[in-house]
Amino acid sequence: NAGVTQTPKFQVLKTGQSMTLQCAQDMNHEYMSWYRQDPGMGLRLIHYSVGAGITDQGEVPNGYNVSRSTTEDFPLRLLSAAPSQTSVYFCASRASGPSSYNEQFFGPGTRLTVL
Amino acid sequence: DAKTTQPNSMESNEEEPVHLPCNHSTISGTDYIHWYRQLPSQGPEYVIHGLTSNVNNRMASLAIAEDRKSSTLILHRATLRDAAVYYCIRYGGTSYGKLTFGQGTILTVHP
Repeated sequence: NAGVTQTPKFQVLKTGQSMTLQCAQDMNHEYMSWYRQDPGMGLRLIHYSVGAGITDQGEVPNGYNVSRSTTEDFPLRLLSAAPSQTSVYFCASRASGPSSYNEQFFGPGTRLTVL
Repeated sequence: DAKTTQPNSMESNEEEPVHLPCNHSTISGTDYIHWYRQLPSQGPEYVIHGLTSNVNNRMASLAIAEDRKSSTLILHRATLRDAAVYYCIRYGGTSYGKLTFGQGTILTVHP
């Protein structure tokens, strides 16, 4: 299993540009999430999904869109990039079921810089 | 609101035990305690979790206070590879995979 994969690893955008961060998992997990991590901070939840076709907002959703058309993929779209969105973005997945049993798996991250 | 409190940083020497404390005084009866760690330039990785009883796995041990208001992650013999940020997280049954991260504890391991 490749686990959780993210592309690209690095990206530089200009203010106002849009782009999509890709996330895929091959573990057949129902739950997927996007987090951002600013320097010296813990991760903050942007959006999450509990299954194909079902998404919801997390703690910091403004400026981001998500959709979940398949179990495997959970792309994150930046609509109009702003310097405040400069961060490291992590995608994560988890199996559904009793919370006690399911560790969350994280991707390697995408480092985004917005100029 | 991470709802857990951890020291900002701790230091240890290689091959010595490390006890990383976490306070979660407002924990509900159905919340589990999960620990994740984040190595430099990597995504977080799961370490261990528990509800009431102490737990052991190949990576670490988790000691949970009887009143569940605090817990301690125990690394039995720290290695240089254990240098990371350690996050203590309350995780409820309806969290749907949503983890609320605090600042965590930066663990430095000296050779």
